[in-house]
Amino acid sequence: AQSVAQPEDQVNVAEGNPLTVKCTYSVSGNPYLFWYVQYPNRGLQFLLKYITGDNLVKGSYGFEAEFNKSQTSFHLKKPSALVSDSALYFCAVRDSSNTGKLIFGQGTTLQVKP
Amino acid sequence: EAQVTQNPRYLITVTGKKLTVTCSQNMNHEYMSWYRQDPGLGLRQIYYSMNVEVTDKGDVPEGYKVSRKEKRNFPLILESPSPNQTSLYFCASSLSQGSYNSPLHFGNGTRLTVT
Repeated sequence: AQSVAQPEDQVNVAEGNPLTVKCTYSVSGNPYLFWYVQYPNRGLQFLLKYITGDNLVKGSYGFEAEFNKSQTSFHLKKPSALVSDSALYFCAVRDSSNTGKLIFGQGTTLQVKP
Repeated sequence: EAQVTQNPRYLITVTGKKLTVTCSQNMNHEYMSWYRQDPGLGLRQIYYSMNVEVTDKGDVPEGYKVSRKEKRNFPLILESPSPNQTSLYFCASSLSQGSYNSPLHFGNGTRLTVT
């Protein structure tokens, strides 16, 4: 069965420090991976995706993610965190059944403190 | 502005009283889908639609209905809501289900409480 795991419910980081939000996946076939961010009282906003190509993917708001096939991971990173980055982050993988479904992790709350 | 619009944003209702949550997109997307978000569970797909008059069940379809009579609209219907359907609901759309380069665009959500 395909699945996505985000092992940390919450990540705390000081403003200006680098941040990492972890994600591991299990899929059959090629993984198509996504990161979304959810701010309070808002829908999910697309940050970045990995389809193929370079393992380091750059996205919106200075975020990037590193695809590691051997470790089946797709960790979200940012070199210098901002207080405004505080939000709920979801990792997702496209289901291989061609239904267009995304399989989401349980989400990680990022708290950036001044 | 390209967007997915859901209404209402908040809804409190009682067990058994039929309700409809509307969803509309202005991007001419073929694919639309409904998800529910519950703490610790992430988002789970309820129903999806690949095009007009084409709908199918997702992972948690029990107690829900949908229709896709027009390309832009994809309402979610709860014929007889129950307390376990208390959740945060999201409508989403993308160009097509097979387009891996087209990410899902989400509405702002509908918070439903069933008492």
